[in-house]
Amino acid sequence: QVQLVESGGGVVQPGGSLRLSCAASRFNFSDYAMHWVRQAPGKGLEWVAFIGYNGNNKYYVDSVKGRFTISRDNSKNTLYLQMNSVRPEDTAVYYCAQDGYSGRWYGPWGQGTLVTVSS
Amino acid sequence: AIWVTQSPSLLSASTGDRVTISCRVSQGISSYLAWYQQKPGKAPELLIYAASTLQGGVPSRFSGSGSGTVFTLTISYLQSEDFATYYCQQYFSFPHTFGGGTKVEIK
Repeated sequence: QVQLVESGGGVVQPGGSLRLSCAASRFNFSDYAMHWVRQAPGKGLEWVAFIGYNGNNKYYVDSVKGRFTISRDNSKNTLYLQMNSVRPEDTAVYYCAQDGYSGRWYGPWGQGTLVTVSS
Repeated sequence: AIWVTQSPSLLSASTGDRVTISCRVSQGISSYLAWYQQKPGKAPELLIYAASTLQGGVPSRFSGSGSGTVFTLTISYLQSEDFATYYCQQYFSFPHTFGGGTKVEIK
């Protein structure tokens, strides 16, 4: 069974930086595109970023463009989200999710990691 | 970006009921729509993709229909484990966008 485990969340001050990781196991990570999706406390889901299986294609939601960077290390079976210049509205649980097919739906998700942006 | 609107936002129902959730998008997306179920404190789980294709392991009481701009998720016979929040998501183009969610609660 696919396993995705996020880490790196915590409390960060506005304007600060944080790097989230998503460790993948029990599937061939380098064959799959991946996504980050977030959920603010008590709110709905928001797609954040996509990366192709080899890291060549990347897409972002407008609100994080120029601040967040998605990347992956296929040799380590790990997905990353570098978050810079964070804002209070970035406070959310961040989930990584395996791409279902060619950048479309999302298959298995991790359990999420909470990022709180507060002074 | 493509807007996605779900209705209702809250649905009160009883075990055994047939329930329907609607999802409308701001432009035609063919069948590029998925449905997810989320229980409190848990990650979402994929139910349906391509508007009507059931993900493996999902009970057959769940079904999806629609194309273009109007879509529906139907639970034919509500079970206790189905009380949760449901989200639709369009993947016709980036940025992917979700509906606001429909919470199905016990009446």
